[in-house]
Amino acid sequence: DTGVSQDPRHKITKRGQNVTFRCDPISEHNRLYWYRQTLGQGPEFLTYFQNEAQLEKSRLLSDRFSAERPKGSFSTLEIQRTEQGDSAMYLCASSSQGFSSGNTIYFGEGSWLTVV
Amino acid sequence: DQQVKQNSPSLSVQEGRISILNCDYTNSMFDYFLWYKKYPAEGPTFLISISSIKDKNEDGRFTVFLNKSAKHLSLHIVPSQPGDSAVYFCAASETGANNLFFGTGTRLTVIP
Repeated sequence: DTGVSQDPRHKITKRGQNVTFRCDPISEHNRLYWYRQTLGQGPEFLTYFQNEAQLEKSRLLSDRFSAERPKGSFSTLEIQRTEQGDSAMYLCASSSQGFSSGNTIYFGEGSWLTVV
Repeated sequence: DQQVKQNSPSLSVQEGRISILNCDYTNSMFDYFLWYKKYPAEGPTFLISISSIKDKNEDGRFTVFLNKSAKHLSLHIVPSQPGDSAVYFCAASETGANNLFFGTGTRLTVIP
């Protein structure tokens, strides 16, 4: 399977613990995105990488969140001191080009986080 | 501040009939629009897109219409099939931006 893969698919953690999600994009894609989706909402943009450079961060990405893409390939999203409000699906996506006619981003299956 | 809105949370349609899903946006800088389909516990899957230089784009059973003056787009599915049952998200972007703005989704149920 050469799509975007995310790990783990599900994570249950206690409030205050740290969690890390990993994303492996489609191999030839240099652009990588993280989104968050809560129940009843559409995906919300968190951050964007082009190669290893983190070029854009949403104000949703509080200082408890950090994302990296060390070699321009896989990416990690870490949440420190988790709170119940962090419970959501964290979606990774990748693309080879920016948004313009005919282009899209390809999403992974998501990582569900439940904070108890 | 919801810049992309899908005001119908759900829609039920008989198999074989037309499904029409609607989307409105407020940001006049948006010039590229996409529709995604999402099954439970999966990530969104790209369906079809349209640039603001067009008012219609068709791909098989799926057609997207764009009315820039009304800041409105719609997705038509003809004929609807039970496998089309899913949540459909409208998304928008502007040239040079690195993020998509999504609506809240419409759950489509196609009744056999």
